Amino acid sequence: SQQGEEDPQALSIQEGENATMNCSYKTSINNLQWYRQNSGRGLVHLILIRSNEREKHSGRLRVTLDTSKKSSSLLITASRAADTASYFCATDDEANFGNEKLTFGTGTRLTIIP
Amino acid sequence: DSGVTQTPKHLITATGQRVTLRCSPRSGDLSVYWYQQSLDQGLQFLIQYYNGEERAKGNILERFSAQQFPDLHSELNLSSLELGDSALYFCASSGHTGESYTFGSGTRLTVV
Repeated sequence: SQQGEEDPQALSIQEGENATMNCSYKTSINNLQWYRQNSGRGLVHLILIRSNEREKHSGRLRVTLDTSKKSSSLLITASRAADTASYFCATDDEANFGNEKLTFGTGTRLTIIP
Repeated sequence: DSGVTQTPKHLITATGQRVTLRCSPRSGDLSVYWYQQSLDQGLQFLIQYYNGEERAKGNILERFSAQQFPDLHSELNLSSLELGDSALYFCASSGHTGESYTFGSGTRLTVV
């Protein structure tokens, strides 16, 4: 079953604009992670935010986490054509004590128009 | 190269057949996870192994089985294949609790 639901399902923006993707989840979590997947390729880890953190930055990426609303957002600033990919949020659920399986959301397909 | 190696990259087989997918985790990682990605189901967790032992099980069919060997590589066995088993199968590995995953490039299975 899917834990996270990304919104929007698809997003197209002009190169240079900012892209924002949202993720909602259902249970209490230990951490939330964002991954990128280029078409048909493996997923690549972007950033991890722990449940006691509210905001985290990595290069052009900014992630926020609101545990009261069970939601997270990923902001990509100054987008580039190479950012075209699908983006997934994944949660390490608090109930997963003893294992570290991640539950992935449904993904946002981001297209950057040159 | 992510450090996680999956073979084969592509596999085409007939219904009713059995296949084995192989995964070598990143050096030092003890956990291996298997995921199935299909268009209509997204990324579905199948099973996790930690240092040779099964640790968590997800939506894995009885026709599917997996194991992790002493050298930490893992194999996912899919039997009595059906058309609906066509998907991308990913292996990922991680070290300690709460770390991110490193994914392999996947095996694309097509059942005809």
